[in-house]
Amino acid sequence: AQSVTQPDIHITVSEGASLELRCNYSYGATPYLFWYVQSPGQGLQLLLKYFSGDTLVQGIKGFEAEFKRSQSSFNLRKPSVHWSDAAEYFCAVGHTGGGNKLTFGTGTQLKVEL
Amino acid sequence: DTAVSQTPKYLVTQMGNDKSIKCEQNLGHDTMYWYKQDSKKFLKIMFSYNNKELIINETVPNRFSPKSPDKAHLNLHINSLELGDSAVYFCASSQGSPNQPQHFGDGTRLSIL
Repeated sequence: AQSVTQPDIHITVSEGASLELRCNYSYGATPYLFWYVQSPGQGLQLLLKYFSGDTLVQGIKGFEAEFKRSQSSFNLRKPSVHWSDAAEYFCAVGHTGGGNKLTFGTGTQLKVEL
Repeated sequence: DTAVSQTPKYLVTQMGNDKSIKCEQNLGHDTMYWYKQDSKKFLKIMFSYNNKELIINETVPNRFSPKSPDKAHLNLHINSLELGDSAVYFCASSQGSPNQPQHFGDGTRLSIL
């Protein structure tokens, strides 16, 4: 069965520091991978997606992610974190079976220290 | 201008009541979804509709009944509400292809007293 693991429940970084959020997936075929961000009281906003081509994908707000098939990973990175990046981050895999559903990881809560 | 809008944003009600949540998208997408986010922030698909046809029903109790009058609307009706139904419910939409991102509404926070 498809699954997504985000090993870090909470991460705290200082403003200006670099960030890497981990995501590992289990999926039989080539995965469709997404990162979403959820600010408090808000819905989910798409940061970036991968489904083929260049394994390093650029997203909004200065985020990027790298797909590594050998490690079944799709880690999210940002070179310099801003206080406004504090939020919940979700990795998700899209299914090619009927319905196009997303299976989400459990999320990583990012706190930014000023 | 809101792409996916849900109403109401907050819903507080008592056990045993029946309630509905409405969702509308103006993105021209052909697929709509309902997700449930529990108190630990875990998101799980409940239903998916493509062009008004039910595609996914993820072992949700039959007290939950989605209705799609047209492809721009997907409403969720819940009968005989239980304490365990307390959660945030998100509507989303996309074009019907797994590589197309889903666009989410702001959620409806349902609290059962």
